[in-house]
Order: sequence, then C-alpha cells, then structure tokens
Amino acid sequence: DAGVTQSPTHLIKTRGQQVTLRCSPKSGHDTVSWYQQALGQGPQFIFQYYEEEERQRGNFPDRFSGHQFPNYSSELNVNALLLGDSALYLCASSSGQGMDEQYFGPGTRLTVT
Amino acid sequence: GDSVTQMEGPVTLSEEAFLTINCTYTATGYPSLFWYVQYPGEGLQLLLKATKADDKGSNKGFEATYRKETTSFHLEKGSVQVSDSAVYFCAFGVNTGFQKLVFGTGTRLLVSP
Repeated sequence: DAGVTQSPTHLIKTRGQQVTLRCSPKSGHDTVSWYQQALGQGPQFIFQYYEEEERQRGNFPDRFSGHQFPNYSSELNVNALLLGDSALYLCASSSGQGMDEQYFGPGTRLTVT
Repeated sequence: GDSVTQMEGPVTLSEEAFLTINCTYTATGYPSLFWYVQYPGEGLQLLLKATKADDKGSNKGFEATYRKETTSFHLEKGSVQVSDSAVYFCAFGVNTGFQKLVFGTGTRLLVSP
C-alpha cells in the first residue's frame, strides 16, 4: 500500500516564477492538506481540500492556490515566487475530513534564488 | 491565538538516558494532541496522540499525557537509543468541521552511543 507521494523531490526556481507541486494521497483517503515548513521551523498550515473544494485556509497570500482532482490527488501552485517561499512543502492526506490521522508525504524542497 | 511552545534544542543525551521534551499549547476548546517525529530527509510520522484530558498516548517506548489543567503534553521515554535521534514536533488539531494541525517549532534530539 503506497503512502503519500509527492513530486518533485527538489525544485529550484527564480524569483517571480511560478511553481506547481503535486501530491497523491494514501489509498482510501479523500482529504489533502498542504503545509509549509521553513528551515528550522514547524510546519505551517496552508490549506485543505475535500471533495475538490478548498475547505479551510491558513494565513497565506492568494499567491498560494491549489486544486484537488476527482481521484483525490492535489496540486499546490505558487505564483510570483519570493525568496521567502523557499521551504519544504508537505502534503498530508486523511479521511474523515481531516479528523482522522493525517499521513505526511516526504515533501518537496523548493529553493527560490 | 492558537500556538504551541516546545523546549528549544538540541537535546543531547547518551544512550539509555531518560528523555523529556516539554510542550505547552494555547488553544480554544479541547483539541486533540499529537507528537510527530521527523527523521533526516523524511516527512513527518505520527508518534503518538491523545484525544481527551488525562489520556496517555504511547508508542515505541514514548509516552505523553494530556494535561488540560496545565495545557501541556510533555513527551517522555525511559531509555533512549541512537536510532531515536530526530526532530520531534508537538502539535494539536483545530477542529472546525475539518481539522488542521498547529505545530511547535520542533526539538532536535541527538543521542550518542
């Protein structure tokens, strides 16, 4: 049983560019959450998707957007990249609208130069 | 606002020593409490959880008790191993029909032989 998978593993972008990160949830899970983990910090909640809709959002600007597909996979898009967007982006999947245990993927390391 | 405070690291111990990592939280209501562990280069793994006051979560020799009166959830292990070296995150779940996680900044544990 594959767990949560994320792609790509690493990514280097330039300021002002746009990036798309992808996540496939654990089998049987229908809710996907995205977190940003800056170096030396704990993960910060970005947003959560259920039934292809954004259900709640953390304190992140509109430059951060997402999408969930009918197969429950999800994308995180970041526009107009800033140096401060450099971080590990973690995807977590769960069932029960996130009320059950959230399983995390290995993350995508984004570096903005 | 919602927040988690963890003791700063790194915590450096010799093998078989006793471990305590302090965690206190500020939240409305009665959240579920979690400890996650992050090994180098990997995503987060749920270590243990507790969902109501006085519950004790335990796993792999680690324990933590939900103390509502002190809003604390300290992590303990009686005898640490080198393989326990990792970063430990305390977190709680904010439930608004959907659950998002609020994390502390993490505590790095280094165990030497």
